[in-house]
Amino acid sequence: AQKVTQAQTEISVVEKEDVTLDCVYETRDTTYYLFWYKQPPSGELVFLIRRNSFDEQNEISGRYSWNFQKSTSSFNFTITASQVVDSAVYFCALMDSNYQLIWGAGTKLIIKP
Amino acid sequence: EAGVTQSPTHLIKTRGQQATLRCSPISGHTSVYWYQQALGLGLQFLLWYDEGEERNRGNFPPRFSGRQFPNYCSELNVTALALEDSALYLCASSGGGTLAKNIQYFGAGTRLSV
Repeated sequence: AQKVTQAQTEISVVEKEDVTLDCVYETRDTTYYLFWYKQPPSGELVFLIRRNSFDEQNEISGRYSWNFQKSTSSFNFTITASQVVDSAVYFCALMDSNYQLIWGAGTKLIIKP
Repeated sequence: EAGVTQSPTHLIKTRGQQATLRCSPISGHTSVYWYQQALGLGLQFLLWYDEGEERNRGNFPPRFSGRQFPNYCSELNVTALALEDSALYLCASSGGGTLAKNIQYFGAGTRLSV
C-alpha cells in the first residue's frame, strides 16, 4: 500500500532556530515522485519541491534543504534560521503511477518571535 | 502569469442544497484535480480531469461530481449537501502527459459551509 507518514503533528520553535520536518513513505513502485508543499493560513498550497526516485541528491534552496534517503524511505525537510513567515502547515506527498498524490497528514510549524 | 483561480471564495449552503464550485487552471495546463480538506481529515483526493475526461476518482459518493470544459476550466458539483461536506475545497492544475510534468499547482480554495 502507498502511504506517507508525517509523525510530527506540530512543532514549535523560536525564530532563528533550525527545524527538521520528517516524512516517511511506503510504495512498491520503482518510479515515483515525492513532494513538499506549504500551506500558510491563507489556505493555498504552495509547491516547494519535487524529487524523483532516481535522484537521491540533496537539494538546497536558500534556507530550505531536503534530504532524500531511499534506504530509509525518508524525505526530510530542514529550514535553517527559521523565520516567523515560515509558520504554516507543511505537507509531504507521494505521487503514484496513477498520477495521484498521496498526502501525509501535515506538520503544523509554529515559529515564535 | 495567472495562477489557479477558484470561485467563489466562500459558499454558505443549507443541508440538502446543491453547491457548484469553479476552477480555472493555469494557462496551458490540461489537468485539473479536486481535493477536499475537512478539519482534522487532511487532504482527500476527489477527482482528476484531463483533456475533458474524468481520469480518476477518490472514495467519495456519487453526489460529488464534476466536469471539465473545452477551455480546461472545471466545475465541482455537490448535491444533497450534508453537514460533513463543510470543508475547504482545493483545485489544482498541472500539465497533462507524462509523470515528469505533473507538478500540481493549487488555488486558494473555496470554503464551503453547510
